[in-house]
Amino acid sequence: GENVEQHPSTLSVQEGDSAVIKCTYSDSASNYFPWYKQELGKGPQLIIDIRSNVGEKKDQRIAVTLNKTAKHFSLHITETQPEDSAVYFCAANNFNKFYFGSGTKLNVKP
Amino acid sequence: ETGVTQTPRHLVMGMTNKKSLKCEQHLGHNAMYWYKQSAKKPLELMFVYSLEERVENNSVPSRFSPECPNSSHLFLHLHTLQPEDSALYLCASSQDKRGGTGELFFGEGSRLTVL
Repeated sequence: GENVEQHPSTLSVQEGDSAVIKCTYSDSASNYFPWYKQELGKGPQLIIDIRSNVGEKKDQRIAVTLNKTAKHFSLHITETQPEDSAVYFCAANNFNKFYFGSGTKLNVKP
Repeated sequence: ETGVTQTPRHLVMGMTNKKSLKCEQHLGHNAMYWYKQSAKKPLELMFVYSLEERVENNSVPSRFSPECPNSSHLFLHLHTLQPEDSALYLCASSQDKRGGTGELFFGEGSRLTVL
C-alpha cells in the first residue's frame, strides 16, 4: 500500500517568515494530494489540494508544489501569522483511499 | 462548519460499557469514513462505507462495530473497549466518482476516554 512520510514533525518560525512542510509518497498511482490544518480541539480542515496533472497551486499565502518524478510534494506558507499555528497533515490518495502523513506542528512566534 | 457533525464531542466510558458515536453529513456525499487519531501517530483509517456498503475494514478489532443506515448517517458502536482505545475518533465524508475521489471533509471528532 501507499506510505506517506512527512517532515519536519515540529516547526517553529517567527511571524512574517515562511514555513515549508515536505511529504513523500511511495505509490506512483497516487493522484490527489490534499493538505489539512488541525487546530486544537477541532477536526482537520482542508486548506489546499493538488492533483497529479498540476505542478503547483497557490491560494493567497499558501501554495503546494508537486514533483511526480521524485514523488514528493510540499506546502509553503508565506508571511506566517500566529493564527497559522496548528498541526498540518499531508495526504495522498489513490483508488479512493487516503493515506496520511504523521503531521507537522507549526508554531508561529509573534 | 464543515457539514459533518459528530456527537458526542466527548465520551468517557468504562471497559464494560456499551456506547455509540454518531456522525451525520449534510453535503450529499456518497462515502463516509471512520478514522482514529492517537497522539503522535498518523490518522488510522478504520472503516469506509461507499453507497452504504462497507468497502474497507482495516483489521479493526470486533469491539468496534460500524453501521451505515443511509448515505447521510454513520455510527460506531463501542463495547468492551480497552484503555488503549482512548483517542479522537474522526468521521469524514467524500463524493467518490469514477477516476478519482473528491475532497475529504472531516467532522470535529469525538474524544473518547476509556477508564
